[in-house]
Amino acid sequence: QVQLVESGGGVVQPGRSLRLSCAASGITFSSYALHWVRQAPGKGLEWVAVISNDGTSKYYANSVKGRFTISRDKSKNTLYLQMTSLRPKDTAVYYCARDQGEATNILDFWGQGTLVTVSS
Amino acid sequence: DIKMTQSPSSLSASVGDRVTITCRASQNIFSYLNWYQQRPGKVPKLLIYSAYILQNEVPSRFSGSGSGTDFSLTISSLQPEDFATYYCQQTYTGTSFGGGTMVEIK
Repeated sequence: QVQLVESGGGVVQPGRSLRLSCAASGITFSSYALHWVRQAPGKGLEWVAVISNDGTSKYYANSVKGRFTISRDKSKNTLYLQMTSLRPKDTAVYYCARDQGEATNILDFWGQGTLVTVSS
Repeated sequence: DIKMTQSPSSLSASVGDRVTITCRASQNIFSYLNWYQQRPGKVPKLLIYSAYILQNEVPSRFSGSGSGTDFSLTISSLQPEDFATYYCQQTYTGTSFGGGTMVEIK
């Protein structure tokens, strides 16, 4: 069955960096665009970034543009989110999610999430 | 950027009630509208996409309607497992979510 398993979350000081990973199984990895979506504690969903199925196209929310980088490694069936210059407002559960297709932005399967806490 | 506004932000209802949640887009998004359910402490789950298409294995008591700027999600007979927060999402230009509607037990 489809599995998306995030890892790499933790507590980090403001201004530091962190890399999240999302290991995919049960899917043809190169057939789907993949997304990161975050949810601050007690708040709603905020889309963060998307990468196309072949990794050539990437788009970001304005709130993270220039600080976060999304990437994927087809040899490892893994999605990444490199986060730099972290701010307290970046504190959230970060979910990876599968696009329904190559670029629909319809998120049909979600991982369990990994918590990132930015605090001094 | 397209802003999505949901109403109400929360509601209380009883098992068996018919419940309708609305979502308004700040501009015409045609039918590029999806609905997600998030139960407490759980992961979001896709319910409906393209305004009215039920995702696989979603019960038929859920339905979606609307186009343009105004959309609605209806639960025809509320079940205990339906108490959750519901989010709309537009995918016409990039993507953005509404603020959510929490459905609580009356």
